[in-house]
Amino acid sequence: AQSVTQPDIHITVSEGASLELRCNYSYGATPYLFWYVQSPGQGLQLLLKYFSGDTLVQGIKGFEAEFKRSQSSFNLRKPSVHWSDAAEYFCAVGNNAGNMLTFGGGTRLMVKP
Amino acid sequence: NAGVMQNPRHLVRRRGQEARLRCSPMKGHSHVYWYRQLPEEGLKFMVYLQKENIIDESGMPKERFSAEFPKEGPSILRIQQVVRGDSAAYFCASSPRGSSYNEQFFGPGTRLTVL
Repeated sequence: AQSVTQPDIHITVSEGASLELRCNYSYGATPYLFWYVQSPGQGLQLLLKYFSGDTLVQGIKGFEAEFKRSQSSFNLRKPSVHWSDAAEYFCAVGNNAGNMLTFGGGTRLMVKP
Repeated sequence: NAGVMQNPRHLVRRRGQEARLRCSPMKGHSHVYWYRQLPEEGLKFMVYLQKENIIDESGMPKERFSAEFPKEGPSILRIQQVVRGDSAAYFCASSPRGSSYNEQFFGPGTRLTVL
């Protein structure tokens, strides 16, 4: 069965600092990987996705993520965080059957001025 | 192109009542997915539907919960005889195909509170 682990429940960074959110997945085949962001009281917005090819993927809002098969990881990064990035971030893996996403527990990001 | 629409956005029910949550997928999308998010948790898959068919309901509780996606109209998630533990945010997502790419577009959610 597929699973996703986001080891950090809460992260606080200063505005302008760099950010890395960790994601580890378990899946038997080539994974389809996603990062979503959820602002308070809102739905989920897709930041980026990995299906195949280049292991470094660029997303919206200046985010990027790197797929590392050897480490079963798909960490999200941003070089300089803005106060508006404060939100909850979810990593997810899709299965080959195309019928569900499995989400991690989320990482809540707080940004200090 | 309007996104995924869900209504109501907030729903309050007393224990024992029925809750009906509606989801209109994006235009051109024929695949709908429902997820539940309990407080302080991630989203959990509930059910995957295509028009007039339930494809995968492996995440649905065995009792009181049902879902449909009729030929015409929105997808409905129905919870009968609600209990306090049903209080959660229910998200609907849609995709243009149930392909391996799994790219799903999410609605704003319905937040159900059971008193």
